[in-house]
Amino acid sequence: AQSVAQPEDQVNVAEGNPLTVKCTYSVSGNPYLFWYVQYPNRGLQFLLKYITGDNLVKGSYGFEAEFNKSQTSFHLKKPSALVSDSALYFCAVGGGQAAGNKLTFGGGTRVLVKP
Amino acid sequence: EAGVTQSPTHLIKTRGQQATLRCSPISGHTSVYWYQQALGLGLQFLLWYDEGEERNRGNFPPRFSGRQFPNYSSELNVNALELEDSALYLCASSLRGDSYNSPLHFGNGTRLTVT
Repeated sequence: AQSVAQPEDQVNVAEGNPLTVKCTYSVSGNPYLFWYVQYPNRGLQFLLKYITGDNLVKGSYGFEAEFNKSQTSFHLKKPSALVSDSALYFCAVGGGQAAGNKLTFGGGTRVLVKP
Repeated sequence: EAGVTQSPTHLIKTRGQQATLRCSPISGHTSVYWYQQALGLGLQFLLWYDEGEERNRGNFPPRFSGRQFPNYSSELNVNALELEDSALYLCASSLRGDSYNSPLHFGNGTRLTVT
């Protein structure tokens, strides 16, 4: 079975400050890890993914995430947050086609960036 | 490029009725995924269709069913509606039956309300 935990329901940060959204996962075998963002009344948008390779993954809108195998974590980061980054962020894990292409999502973390 | 489109945007049904939700994937995408986003429960995987076949199913009762048409569009049917079926239903598509190398593209969802 695969699972994802996002320990913070909400993260508040001032504009211009660094932003971190935490994610830990559990999966059999090699993990496929993703971050998605959901703006109000919209579907999810893909931000970035880790499949293999470099532990630091760069994605859309200046976001990056660091894969840490020993800590089974995949935290999302942005060096300088913008008010427009305020949204709901989802971490997801999958186990490949052997797992039936199923992505398991965390409960989401709401990010509020204040001016 | 047109994104994933879902209809209707909102759907109000009474308990015991049937609901039909529709999804058109991005042109060229053969895989369609359905997720339920209920309040406080995050995203729950419902179904995966690829090339017209159901490939994987989440932990939902049989009254949740669907199909994929030859043009790769998809329907989600929910029979014998219950109050707890009220949720945002998200459809996603990917380029091929591999959601890891071809990340999911989500529609804006259908908000189903059961009264």
